[in-house]
Amino acid sequence: SQTIHQWPATLVQPVGSPLSLECTVEGTSNPNLYWYRQAAGRGLQLLFYSVGIGQISSEVPQNLSASRPQDRQFILSSKKLLLSDSGFYLCGGVVGGAWNGYTFGSGTRLTVV
Amino acid sequence: RKEVEQDPGPFNVPEGATVAFNCTYSNSASQSFFWYRQDCRKEPKLLMSVYSSGNEDGRFTAQLNRASQYISLLIRDSKLSDSATYLCVVNNDYKLSFGAGTTVTVRA
Repeated sequence: SQTIHQWPATLVQPVGSPLSLECTVEGTSNPNLYWYRQAAGRGLQLLFYSVGIGQISSEVPQNLSASRPQDRQFILSSKKLLLSDSGFYLCGGVVGGAWNGYTFGSGTRLTVV
Repeated sequence: RKEVEQDPGPFNVPEGATVAFNCTYSNSASQSFFWYRQDCRKEPKLLMSVYSSGNEDGRFTAQLNRASQYISLLIRDSKLSDSATYLCVVNNDYKLSFGAGTTVTVRA
């Protein structure tokens, strides 16, 4: 079965600094991969998803970008963080469509100060 | 209108009680449905899928009403360990849309 790895678990960054969060998948090939953000006390917001290497779909226009340089690697980036980028970032993955739900990594809690 | 709407609760129930709550979804073409559980400051985890005919998993029963576009979850014989936020989730094409969650607190 697949496992999603995310790091770091927590991150405190100053406003205006860059960001790079990495997600890797173990135990499967060709997964669909997703980045979600959860603001404090709020629901999960889909940011980006990818169905293959180099393919990125953006759901929300914002300060963030995503890349998929390898089949099992998904990266979330920002050139300059804003206070509003604070939140709990989750990487999710599934093989094929989302018919059976998907698995999340343990998440990165980002605080922008 | 939000894609998935849930009563945020909280539902505070004693151990052993039954608790039930619903969610509604806006896209009538949604293809599959789930309940996820999220503990405080943790990632969501799949609790169960929801099938058109209704389904049970131990003390948990899920129902789907496609005509009215709502999904329900019932927890019987509540345990302290059931305290969590329950997320209603809907699959549209490749993507899952999440409700904001219903918080359940089971007290001794």
